[in-house]
Amino acid sequence: DAKTTQPTSMDCAEGRAANLPCNHSTISGNEYVYWYRQIHSQGPQYIIHGLKNNETNEMASLIITEDRKSSTLILPHATLRDTAVYYCIVRVAGAGSYQLTFGKGTKLSVIP
Amino acid sequence: SQTIHQWPATLVQPVGSPLSLECTVEGTSNPNLYWYRQAAGRGLQLLFYSVGIGQISSEVPQNLSASRPQDRQFILSSKKLLLSDSGFYLCAWTSGGAYEQYFGPGTRLTVT
Repeated sequence: DAKTTQPTSMDCAEGRAANLPCNHSTISGNEYVYWYRQIHSQGPQYIIHGLKNNETNEMASLIITEDRKSSTLILPHATLRDTAVYYCIVRVAGAGSYQLTFGKGTKLSVIP
Repeated sequence: SQTIHQWPATLVQPVGSPLSLECTVEGTSNPNLYWYRQAAGRGLQLLFYSVGIGQISSEVPQNLSASRPQDRQFILSSKKLLLSDSGFYLCAWTSGGAYEQYFGPGTRLTVT
């Protein structure tokens, strides 16, 4: 699986958009970009995934650059409950691809 | 809807004692099941995964073992705990080929 690079920490004002970047310059053509988050003392929570098109769901938007070497997770209106560690993961999807490799992620602090 | 349960939520055990952590999934059949460990201040490490009853794959050699006696039951065990076994143990499931994994609430183990 391709390696990802994320900033260690970020702050965001409550109500503003939180933009979390991720670099994955060695991503291969069949690898997806996944985002998870982990609120303190809880299990990780799936947020969103994408291959090459931008994606949006009720939680967030995922913007993937045209060369697929980087992506940005956008939380449109951050709340205090969005304070968590956010993990960007790149891996092949489908049968036979079992492991999620979590790095250190980005600790997002939403400030009142 | 699908739910995943883990127990106990917290556990304090002396060095050398045995361990048994249980994970069950409801609302799905033939899930892929996973055990992860998160040491304090570190990322998640995959320990074991299972694609079916009695089928266990180990990712990290250590004094832990896993078993899957029933389709939706996954057990993590140890005969003799070490101090280094302390951590946050997470069970997760996915349906084969699905894009996302769903995590349980976790068990916080402290070995003293």
